[in-house]
Amino acid sequence: RKEVEQDPGPFNVPEGATVAFNCTYSNSASQSFFWYRQDCRKEPKLLMSVYSSGNEDGRFTAQLNRASQYISLLIRDSKLSDSATYLCVVNGRDSSYKLIFGSGTRLLVRP
Amino acid sequence: EPEVTQTPSHQVTQMGQEVILRCVPISNHLYFYWYRQILGQKVEFLVSFYNNEISEKSEIFDDQFSVERPDGSNFTLKIRSTKLEDSAMYFCASSSGERAPGEQYFGPGTRLTVT
Repeated sequence: RKEVEQDPGPFNVPEGATVAFNCTYSNSASQSFFWYRQDCRKEPKLLMSVYSSGNEDGRFTAQLNRASQYISLLIRDSKLSDSATYLCVVNGRDSSYKLIFGSGTRLLVRP
Repeated sequence: EPEVTQTPSHQVTQMGQEVILRCVPISNHLYFYWYRQILGQKVEFLVSFYNNEISEKSEIFDDQFSVERPDGSNFTLKIRSTKLEDSAMYFCASSSGERAPGEQYFGPGTRLTVT
């Protein structure tokens, strides 16, 4: 089983749509969870940390289900500028500084 | 807004040559990292560095790789004898280290091409 698994997409949505990405992780000892976005041939950029209680940042909402080892990201009112690859990221184990990246889900927002 | 910087942006080298990739982490950060991304693949952890020593490393980070913080601002990755399969984008990252693993901020990367 992959350490972090994501649907590669692409998700092709119109502007203004709501889109959800899911991710599962295999190591139950992971304690820290993040969503990063990566534009083509650029560095990963931190989008948001994911907390147990769920958290929201503007149009972005992240949820964590530890029992199912499942993380989600919801994007509301999609903008053209949201087109990117979204990376689900976890740490290797409790107290580990190593980040483990999923392969990413590609989002295309069309006019 | 503080950011991680990396030089050079692109490095071309011949197989067997040594390369040094340079990074300037965010100034008040204490933890430093190198990751790499082979074209079309996922980002992979190489090494983390704290208090002038390696704190974790991956299986990829073998004896051909080394890291150093030669002064108060730079953080370097050296590959002693490059192989074709070392061709990748190398990202430096840093975090404040307040809590593992911390929010890690990435530099723009160095594209290494080994011919």
